[in-house]
Amino acid sequence: NAGVTQTPKFQVLKTGQSMTLQCAQDMNHEYMSWYRQDPGMGLRLIHYSVGAGITDQGEVPNGYNVSRSTTEDFPLRLLSAAPSQTSVYFCASSSYSNQPQHFGDGTRLSIL
Amino acid sequence: GQQLNQSPQSMFIQEGEDVSMNCTSSSIFNTWLWYKQDPGEGPVLLIALYKAGELTSNGRLTAQFGITRKDSFLNISASIPSDVGIYFCAGQFTGTASKLTFGTGTRLQVTL
Repeated sequence: NAGVTQTPKFQVLKTGQSMTLQCAQDMNHEYMSWYRQDPGMGLRLIHYSVGAGITDQGEVPNGYNVSRSTTEDFPLRLLSAAPSQTSVYFCASSSYSNQPQHFGDGTRLSIL
Repeated sequence: GQQLNQSPQSMFIQEGEDVSMNCTSSSIFNTWLWYKQDPGEGPVLLIALYKAGELTSNGRLTAQFGITRKDSFLNISASIPSDVGIYFCAGQFTGTASKLTFGTGTRLQVTL
């Protein structure tokens, strides 16, 4: 049972490049989320999903797109990377609405 | 967007000492969560609290859900070197498992 798996673990991009951060969970969880973590700050919600085909914006959605075509996968897309998107990105999932989220180990993204 | 106020921001303690940290919010939450993050890893759930006034323990850790529902406290007794890390509180509204609001974190360092 792998839990929440994020790939890649590290990535360096140039400004303007596009990229997809992958997130997969093998626990059949309905609820999935993407957060970003910046130095000295807690995690901030980017986008979230309450089930396949259903997504919504969080606190800091600008510059990011998501889709949820299957229960297992919830990719995060950067269409045109900007230096302000340099951060550590975490994906999380939970089984139903009142259960705590479990997190992956993160993707460390640097944009030059 | 709201972030929870967490204090202290950092603390140095000696092995064997007890540790206290707290988290306050301007909003009422239905669930309070405490996570620990080690370097290079994602947050790991320590304790979940679901009722105002609830006191819950997990080994040497004890957390309380404040009566006002706007705060929570975490205590670590008899600290050991592996307690080093960043501790985050997170608030959750009922039925919003995908949407956690995080505190800014307390960095704990333990000296021998």
